[in-house]
Amino acid sequence: DQQVKQNSPSLSVQEGRISILNCDYTNSMFDYFLWYKKYPAEGPTFLISISSIKDKNEDGRFTVFLNKSAKHLSLHIVPSQPGDSAVYFCAAFAGSARQLTFGSGTQLTVLP
Amino acid sequence: ETGVTQTPRHLVMGMTNKKSLKCEQHLGHNAMYWYKQSAKKPLELMFVYSLEERVENNSVPSRFSPECPNSSHLFLHLHTLQPEDSALYLCASSQDPPSGGYNEQFFGPGTRLTVL
Repeated sequence: DQQVKQNSPSLSVQEGRISILNCDYTNSMFDYFLWYKKYPAEGPTFLISISSIKDKNEDGRFTVFLNKSAKHLSLHIVPSQPGDSAVYFCAAFAGSARQLTFGSGTQLTVLP
Repeated sequence: ETGVTQTPRHLVMGMTNKKSLKCEQHLGHNAMYWYKQSAKKPLELMFVYSLEERVENNSVPSRFSPECPNSSHLFLHLHTLQPEDSALYLCASSQDPPSGGYNEQFFGPGTRLTVL
């Protein structure tokens, strides 16, 4: 049973518009949530994170929102750029277990 | 070299072969990880080493054997693998705070393994 789920395997967005990537989780013990970005033939690179005590974290064009009651988080990219085209992984960290649990990823394609 | 490097980048092996994957981190971190990524599946944590001691082993079959000789190097020894073990194997490292908590994991580019 997957504890972190990304239900959309792919998303296409026009350049300049907003990209919204979604993630759901089931384990209430997670205390950090992260987004990683992965280009082909490269390892995942960290993008942005949020602590479970917050509901929003912003870094430039990237904003992560956390809704603890719904066990849902989302990544907003605005404005989207063609270079943002990559696979985005949602991940959650439980300090007690000392491990990251990943979702299956969403392929974002930003069309010029 | 900077960051986390992995060799080889691609590996094809038969089910009776023995091979090893190598990971090296140049970040001065104290924890290293092996992950497996199969097609269309989430990354699965296989092994965690902190201060060169194995702290997690998520029920990985014994045909996968990790080795961490020092804080900068991590190996994954492979023996009598099955075709379903074909996947992308990713290494990562992090600097774990002594009091617990989270620090970002830095990933290598991975080794694409094909078992025939």
